[in-house]
Amino acid sequence: DSGVTQTPKHLITATGQRVTLRCSPRSGDLSVYWYQQSLDQGLQFLIQYYNGEERAKGNILERFSAQQFPDLHSELNLSSLELGDSALYFCASSVVVGSYGYTFGSGTRLTVV
Amino acid sequence: LAKTTQPISMDSYEGQEVNITCSHNNIATNDYITWYQQFPSQGPRFIIQGYKTKVTNEVASLFIPADRKSSTLSLPRVSLSDTAVYYCLVGDRGLNFGNEKLTFGTGTRLTIIP
Repeated sequence: DSGVTQTPKHLITATGQRVTLRCSPRSGDLSVYWYQQSLDQGLQFLIQYYNGEERAKGNILERFSAQQFPDLHSELNLSSLELGDSALYFCASSVVVGSYGYTFGSGTRLTVV
Repeated sequence: LAKTTQPISMDSYEGQEVNITCSHNNIATNDYITWYQQFPSQGPRFIIQGYKTKVTNEVASLFIPADRKSSTLSLPRVSLSDTAVYYCLVGDRGLNFGNEKLTFGTGTRLTIIP
């Protein structure tokens, strides 16, 4: 157990629908990062939050949005889903200063049918 | 953020030492080098991080030459369970640690042969 909790583990939904993925960072970590990994693809950075504020944006589609709440958990909202959105979505968290890098959760596997 | 270049794939036999080299010609003064391991359908796992010379932990060693334009991850006596994708990342680890974009490349797919 990495300490980063992602729910749900699996999600199957239809095209055009909207889903919410949830991430609880490791205790004490203020930064949360979201990544998308499609089949046999690398990890695409989507967005980062730090202590409730958006800090960096990567290749995140306009149909996707995220937020970090006062208790530091984060949610990634995916709307108007398309078949191509099927992927593993990972959340990672990090300490502000430290030598251990980023800690990833086990991911949410989203299947759009 | 410094761009990195790694071999796409490598094969090795069980019990051998494996060295995976990462090139990062544009590394900045404040950048650290971090390596991650990823098994299929799992999130990446931190392996090791370093700034210069050599770092060793219970899992691996990281060799960084004086010019820091490359680094080598060394896995001693690999086993079948070391079959995974290995990513090299370079980025600022200082006060702006929470601001950096953690960009993963395609990584190196390491296959251990019995």
